[in-house]
Amino acid sequence: DAGVIQSPRHEVTEMGQEVTLRCKPISGHDYLFWYRQTMMRGLELLIYFNNNVPIDDSGMPEDRFSAKMPNASFSTLKIQPSEPRDSAVYFCASSFFSFNTEAFFGQGTRLTVV
Amino acid sequence: GENVEQHPSTLSVQEGDSAVIKCTYSDSASNYFPWYKQELGKRPQLIIDIRSNVGEKKDQRIAVTLNKTAKHFSLHITETQPEDSAVYFCAANSGTSYGKLTFGQGTILTVHP
Repeated sequence: DAGVIQSPRHEVTEMGQEVTLRCKPISGHDYLFWYRQTMMRGLELLIYFNNNVPIDDSGMPEDRFSAKMPNASFSTLKIQPSEPRDSAVYFCASSFFSFNTEAFFGQGTRLTVV
Repeated sequence: GENVEQHPSTLSVQEGDSAVIKCTYSDSASNYFPWYKQELGKRPQLIIDIRSNVGEKKDQRIAVTLNKTAKHFSLHITETQPEDSAVYFCAANSGTSYGKLTFGQGTILTVHP
């Protein structure tokens, strides 16, 4: 398996634009997580899914953020409209609870909002 | 929800010395405690983990200890090498949703040659 795949790797956008980040989890994993990493706040859990169902979105900063998981092999995190304070590295991770709870991270998307 | 505190935030050691990073957690039902290493510009990667039915686990130069009563766990790195320099994160799972991990704030470890 190629691991968790995220796209794009880098995204630069202007304030007010819509941004969509994409994630393909490891096949067979039933948990998917979206994290945001900044120097100030560290690794923050934004939302996670279990079997494609959103379980906890309490970490989503505000209504400008939304996430979907239409099937077991794909998830998106959307920011609309984007703001400079959204600049961060966004990681997607997946795990297989029934086996163990090790979370495998994707390579991340570095988002810069100017 | 779970709260994980990690100390110190930075740690500087000489090559060959030992390094210890400590974490505390708040949810007494947590049962899984992984440690992740993140090198500059890369993704976090699991280096060792421990479950609540075990008090200590070792893997070559790294070890983790868990004290359930006190709700704290520690990472020990012996014979440190410059390539151990990275950011280390501890985490604990949720007692109500075991797949959910809460991470500590991270420790920047620098090993000087």
